[in-house]
Amino acid sequence: EADIYQTPRYLVIGTGKKITLECSQTMGHDKMYWYQQDPGMELHLIHYSYGVNSTEKGDLSSESTVSRIRTEHFPLTLESARPSHTSQYLCASRKTGMSTEAFFGQGTRLTVV
Amino acid sequence: GQQVMQIPQYQHVQEGEDFTTYCNSSTTLSNIQWYKQRPGGHPVFLIQLVKSGEVKKQKRLTFQFGEAKKNSSLHITATQTTDVGTYFCAGRATDKLIFGTGTRLQVFP
Repeated sequence: EADIYQTPRYLVIGTGKKITLECSQTMGHDKMYWYQQDPGMELHLIHYSYGVNSTEKGDLSSESTVSRIRTEHFPLTLESARPSHTSQYLCASRKTGMSTEAFFGQGTRLTVV
Repeated sequence: GQQVMQIPQYQHVQEGEDFTTYCNSSTTLSNIQWYKQRPGGHPVFLIQLVKSGEVKKQKRLTFQFGEAKKNSSLHITATQTTDVGTYFCAGRATDKLIFGTGTRLQVFP
């Protein structure tokens, strides 16, 4: 069982609200990732981090921001939620190195109304 | 940017039939990983291939990495209903882990 946790699992929120999606892992992994996935569709990388104080944007442009103040914590924030942000957000982590697998959290299903 | 495409997008098979999904990258990969995502679940790691031309087997699943390290395939022999889900390849050219477009497999009993 992977030790990576996301909260909340489900969130319904009104347009214009600020939200933070939490992701924590207890495996000491340096690399962490955020993916956006619509139901049954592909995973789009929106943010990643090499380690503390290191964050990069992924290939899919996103209005969200991330921070990495602690190794185990990689929260994602939307300053002003819109209906177009409705999606599933998956957090993943892996150890530094060539041959390391990614472990995923259970995901947060976000609905903006 | 790096693109990883998979075909087919969907595949419906009768239980017992074979299934293959193909993964193609626009750039050379240092390695390729395969993940399975059950409906309503999150991706779970299956296997990693590193060497050019490498072939690995896991019971009924056979994974292959192309000679040029730009393509890969996953073959399932005699599918079962438990094989239902979306299969993703994932390539790593730098520290980014880019997932393929996925192939959704449906198995009818």
